[in-house]
Amino acid sequence: GAGVSQSPSNKVTEKGKDVELRCDPISGHTALYWYRQSLGQGLEFLIYFQGNSAPDKSGLPSDRFSAERTGGSVSTLTIQRTQQEDSAVYLCASSLKINRGREKLFFGSGTQLSVL
Amino acid sequence: GQQLNQSPQSMFIQEGEDVSMNCTSSSIFNTWLWYKQDPGEGPVLLIALYKAGELTSNGRLTAQFGITRKDSFLNISASIPSDVGIYFCAGQLPTGANNLFFGTGTRLTVIP
Repeated sequence: GAGVSQSPSNKVTEKGKDVELRCDPISGHTALYWYRQSLGQGLEFLIYFQGNSAPDKSGLPSDRFSAERTGGSVSTLTIQRTQQEDSAVYLCASSLKINRGREKLFFGSGTQLSVL
Repeated sequence: GQQLNQSPQSMFIQEGEDVSMNCTSSSIFNTWLWYKQDPGEGPVLLIALYKAGELTSNGRLTAQFGITRKDSFLNISASIPSDVGIYFCAGQLPTGANNLFFGTGTRLTVIP
């Protein structure tokens, strides 16, 4: 597709279960970001992938959170043993980093995660 | 990470009024981006700025890259109800791998 695609759009899970959120970036985009947005709040950076470099995981809130990016394209964000405070919208964004310092991020519509 | 101070946090305005919001930082940025987020959607890029002093328009929206490279503002003229949403600024440092930072957002409400 033309844009960043995220699935599922909504996910309801029980506390303690694991969830996987998927992101399909724009084809050819080398950089991929995951953000978390709690209700009415700003964007909280989680993790960043750029090409074949080691990901920047500095934003992951706990070791229950992990992400991978297979083949430099699709990314999966996994949350293990979900807690109610994990409830939020998880946004993925991708960009084509051509010139240093000139980057435009394009966002998906997000996955609304609700942990009961 | 870098701190981007975005203000105001929220605004309630009458339809037809002009709106102004801004972002400031203690760091020098190479790029300023402005995004709008509608309810239930991801942020959408409105304007990208790449040069100090640059003034760019997109319809009723105008954004400027501050001369000091530490700030940017976004103006919306003659607001309409569909301008409702959350507006985010983002600044990019000249170096570093993960070098893009977002402001905390301005929530705009337009009263018809």
